[in-house]
Amino acid sequence: GESVGLHLPTLSVQEGDNSIINCAYSNSASDYFIWYKQESGKGPQFIIDIRSNMDKRQGQRVTVLLNKTVKHLSLQIAATQPGDSAVYFCAERGTGFQKLVFGTGTRLLVSP
Amino acid sequence: DTGVSQDPRHKITKRGQNVTFRCDPISEHNRLYWYRQTLGQGPEFLTYFQNEAQLEKSRLLSDRFSAERPKGSFSTLEIQRTEQGDSAMYLCACQPLNTEAFFGQGTRLTVV
Repeated sequence: GESVGLHLPTLSVQEGDNSIINCAYSNSASDYFIWYKQESGKGPQFIIDIRSNMDKRQGQRVTVLLNKTVKHLSLQIAATQPGDSAVYFCAERGTGFQKLVFGTGTRLLVSP
Repeated sequence: DTGVSQDPRHKITKRGQNVTFRCDPISEHNRLYWYRQTLGQGPEFLTYFQNEAQLEKSRLLSDRFSAERPKGSFSTLEIQRTEQGDSAMYLCACQPLNTEAFFGQGTRLTVV
């Protein structure tokens, strides 16, 4: 079956450092991937997405890299800030009705 | 604020009681999804509506669960005879075609 997973359950960094959160997926047919940020007690918040025909996409302080060969996705956050502390999920969009398949999440802790 | 509203934000109920949650999506989005999220896990797909038609249901949606979307606008998710295992965050999301999903803040259900 399809699945999306993360390598690191918790990542602790110092303010100003760059953060990298990794994700592996198993459905090679997936064509769209999304990173979400979720703060405690809130719904997932969209960060950045990437389509399968791209290798890299940049946003404001965030970059997503997609390696289809090894089915790996990563989120890079530049100059991490305390406000970036949250749980980060990668998700892949399935075919058909396009439901999202989420991994278990990585908690990012940013120390001042 | 994604524009997706969920009510209530929190619900505590006794085991065996029925509960109903409501989702008011972004008006122009006709694709609506319900997800369930337990602590430390990513959201899991429950069901999908396109307009008023319920087109897909997960195996997670037992007979005690029912979802409706009359007139293709707001949606309700009802759980009958609640069990402690139903305790979770219930998330509603709208997803325009070929873009990311916009999530509401969720309803946190606690069954005691």
